[in-house]
Amino acid sequence: EAGVAQSPRYKIIEKRQSVAFWCNPISGHATLYWYQQILGQGPKLLIQFQNNGVVDDSQLPKDRFSAERLKGVDSTLKIQPAKLEDSAVYLCASSLVGSRPANEQFFGPGTRLTVL
Amino acid sequence: QKEVEQDPGPLSVPEGAIVSLNCTYSNSAFQYFMWYRQYSRKGPELLMYTYSSGNKEDGRFTAQVDKSSKYISLFIRDSQPSDSATYLCAMIKGSGGSNYKLTFGKGTLLTVNP
Repeated sequence: EAGVAQSPRYKIIEKRQSVAFWCNPISGHATLYWYQQILGQGPKLLIQFQNNGVVDDSQLPKDRFSAERLKGVDSTLKIQPAKLEDSAVYLCASSLVGSRPANEQFFGPGTRLTVL
Repeated sequence: QKEVEQDPGPLSVPEGAIVSLNCTYSNSAFQYFMWYRQYSRKGPELLMYTYSSGNKEDGRFTAQVDKSSKYISLFIRDSQPSDSATYLCAMIKGSGGSNYKLTFGKGTLLTVNP
């Protein structure tokens, strides 16, 4: 079974530029998550989708971050404009359905973003 | 005060040692407890999942939950160099509805030396 795919794996940009990350979840997984993991910290949830609807985006900085999940499969996370403090690893995860706590979240390898 | 506290280490042990990793939490709403392992440049992967207080064993790994003290532990017996990774505790509140959100600790970096 193929895992969660993310691209690019690494990205270096200058502050005020824009950047986009792509995620392809495990086939059949209805729930998709984007996390931000700053160096030395645990992952922090940015946004959760159930199919193509947003379940939780309470920690997404909506003035600069946006995310979409068209057709309930792939998802894109965008940052515009980027700030220095956005330097982090952006992890995508998916699970069968988010309505049961026992449903395991499977994580992709992440995109490492450096903002100069 | 953060909801979940975890000593970031780093922790360095010789091969074969017993490793103890711990987290504390402040919110009694947390009902589900997980341990994730994250190798360098990889995403986290689920190691152990527990709901009730007590112990759960899986091979060399034992997860322990003490809800009265708001304290969880992960023990690794006969540690191997391949266990070298960051270990993250994570918790879910019991009344999430359709949104069972994971709250992670900072992670503890473990190195097992051959």
